[in-house]
Amino acid sequence: EIVMTQSPATLSVSPGERATLSCRASQSVSSDLAWYQQKPGQAPRLLIYGASTRATGFPARFSGSGSGTEFTLTISSLQSEDFAVYYCQQYNNWPRTFGQGTKVEIK
Amino acid sequence: EVQLVESGGNVVRPGGSLRLSCAASGFTFDDFGMSWVRQAPGKGLEWVSTINWNGDITTYADSMKGRFTISRDNAKNSLYLQMNSLRAEDTAFYHCAKCSSTSCYYFRYWGQGTLVTVSS
Repeated sequence: EIVMTQSPATLSVSPGERATLSCRASQSVSSDLAWYQQKPGQAPRLLIYGASTRATGFPARFSGSGSGTEFTLTISSLQSEDFAVYYCQQYNNWPRTFGQGTKVEIK
Repeated sequence: EVQLVESGGNVVRPGGSLRLSCAASGFTFDDFGMSWVRQAPGKGLEWVSTINWNGDITTYADSMKGRFTISRDNAKNSLYLQMNSLRAEDTAFYHCAKCSSTSCYYFRYWGQGTLVTVSS
């Protein structure tokens, strides 16, 4: 099983600042990496797939990068609606596995 | 608009059984694989099971293999999860998810989830 490790567990950021979230895979997943956003009481929403392709409905301030075992989600200028938990997920291998999540909170 | 609405969650005793359903609308159901992903209260996401577009291929997480059965009825645009031999650690919200393709890579749309509580 591919283990996905996200860091940090919690990121405290002021509105307007940049947020950088990391996701590491225990073995290469090529670019088969997705990111999801989950707000309290809501279902997760697909944010990024193919490591860097933004899903419908998300603005350009969200960007994904990386390949192999190291991936990054960057939010260039945090808005109030971006405070949430973000999960990465690999789909290179079965079982599909998620990271434990990074909570982005208001500083 | 894609809609996925789960139902069937309940309180059940350890060792008991439960059947979850997911009603899908807003897309051509039999063009896509479907999955169940669960989330224990306050915890992260855990993939449970996936079924391909026509039901021929199913996959399960190891801890669910032999206890859970995923199925679909394309005529009813519905996805199911039969859960047997339930354990306390199966307590979670169970989300139905529309896959990215006929099989399943990532999860493009998610339902709100239905809560399964396993407790004596």
